[in-house]
Amino acid sequence: GESVGLHLPTLSVQEGDNSIINCAYSNSASDYFIWYKQESGKGPQFIIDIRSNMDKRQGQRVTVLLNKTVKHLSLQIAATQPGDSAVYFCAGGGADGLTFGKGTHLIIQP
Amino acid sequence: NAGVTQTPKFQVLKTGQSMTLQCAQDMNHNSMYWYRQDPGMGLRLIYYSASEGTTDKGEVPNGYNVSRLNKREFSLRLESAAPSQTSVYFCASSYSGPSSYEQYFGPGTRLTVT
Repeated sequence: GESVGLHLPTLSVQEGDNSIINCAYSNSASDYFIWYKQESGKGPQFIIDIRSNMDKRQGQRVTVLLNKTVKHLSLQIAATQPGDSAVYFCAGGGADGLTFGKGTHLIIQP
Repeated sequence: NAGVTQTPKFQVLKTGQSMTLQCAQDMNHNSMYWYRQDPGMGLRLIYYSASEGTTDKGEVPNGYNVSRLNKREFSLRLESAAPSQTSVYFCASSYSGPSSYEQYFGPGTRLTVT
């Protein structure tokens, strides 16, 4: 089955810097990938998604890159703000639904 | 538009007790899901319902039952709670089947089984 995981459990960045959160996956059959943000005590919140036939997608201050050759995707957050502090999950989607990675905790240093 | 709501927010059970977690969505979504989230792990799918009247097992269904009461409501039942079921439970919904993206999540139910 699908295996989706993140490279680092914790990422610490300076406020105003760009953040890059990475994710590796094992199942090439995934149709799409999603990034979720989960703040403490809340449910996951959709950030951005990307179809498997794309290699880049941009949103407001966020960009997702997909490299199918090495089965890797990343979430880039521009000009990181205190409100970006959260756990970020990648999820891969296929016929069996979404499979979530373990999460990366993004910590913002003032 | 409340989105996905869950009750209760917190619950403590003793081993062997039973309870039902309630979930409702007001977005007219066809599909609904139950996940559990444990420390250091991602969300794991317990059961899902692709449409009203249908339910299917996910990755970790043992010890749980579900009921899709109508299009809006999807409940999760623990018949005989065990300490291994201590977790945070999330309900989610989406427009179509399990291969749909952008699942919307509720705030979670924090369950402790002693």
